[in-house]
Amino acid sequence: EPEVTQTPSHQVTQMGQEVILRCVPISNHLYFYWYRQILGQKVEFLVSFYNNEISEKSEIFDDQFSVERPDGSNFTLKIRSTKLEDSAMYFCASWGTNRQFFGPGTRLTVL
Amino acid sequence: QKEVEQDPGPLSVPEGAIVSLNCTYSNSAFQYFMWYRQYSRKGPELLMYTYSSGNKEDGRFTAQVDKSSKYISLFIRDSQPSDSATYLCAMDSGGGADGLTFGKGTHLIIQP
Repeated sequence: EPEVTQTPSHQVTQMGQEVILRCVPISNHLYFYWYRQILGQKVEFLVSFYNNEISEKSEIFDDQFSVERPDGSNFTLKIRSTKLEDSAMYFCASWGTNRQFFGPGTRLTVL
Repeated sequence: QKEVEQDPGPLSVPEGAIVSLNCTYSNSAFQYFMWYRQYSRKGPELLMYTYSSGNKEDGRFTAQVDKSSKYISLFIRDSQPSDSATYLCAMDSGGGADGLTFGKGTHLIIQP
């Protein structure tokens, strides 16, 4: 069965550094998403992406975040200047057959 | 007021018991309701998907939606130790293509 993949599985970075989290959505899906889950808290929607532009974003998705689909398969989330509170699991998802399919996540640790 | 409320548990039941998991919500625009299962440090895995009110059954799992009460449930029959996980309810108003709003998740433990 097709699945969403994410790399890396774990990323450690220093505060103030830029990070790029990568996702490969399911190939025939058209909507893509990023969510985050801070340890012990709920999964929170960040942004959705359709037709090469942002479709919807939450108040969490401020100017330090950006998304891009640089080619036909990858979907990336960039955090420009990481903060300690950005430490979380980041999940990519893609939408097809009326449901969202989630990747395994990238654990981001900001030191 | 939080949009989606879910008791975080933990909920501990003996193997073979019927499990009832619930969420309440406040946004009457929600029409699509989902239950995801999440193992520790893994991505959410879709279990059940329901549109509007009513019941849906899939094997040992039954999802119920009562839009008049803004209340959704997931029942697990003949629970197994492998069902031990965190169960997340999620919902949205736009057909599933919008960003989902999640509950905090209920940590379920099935005791052998």
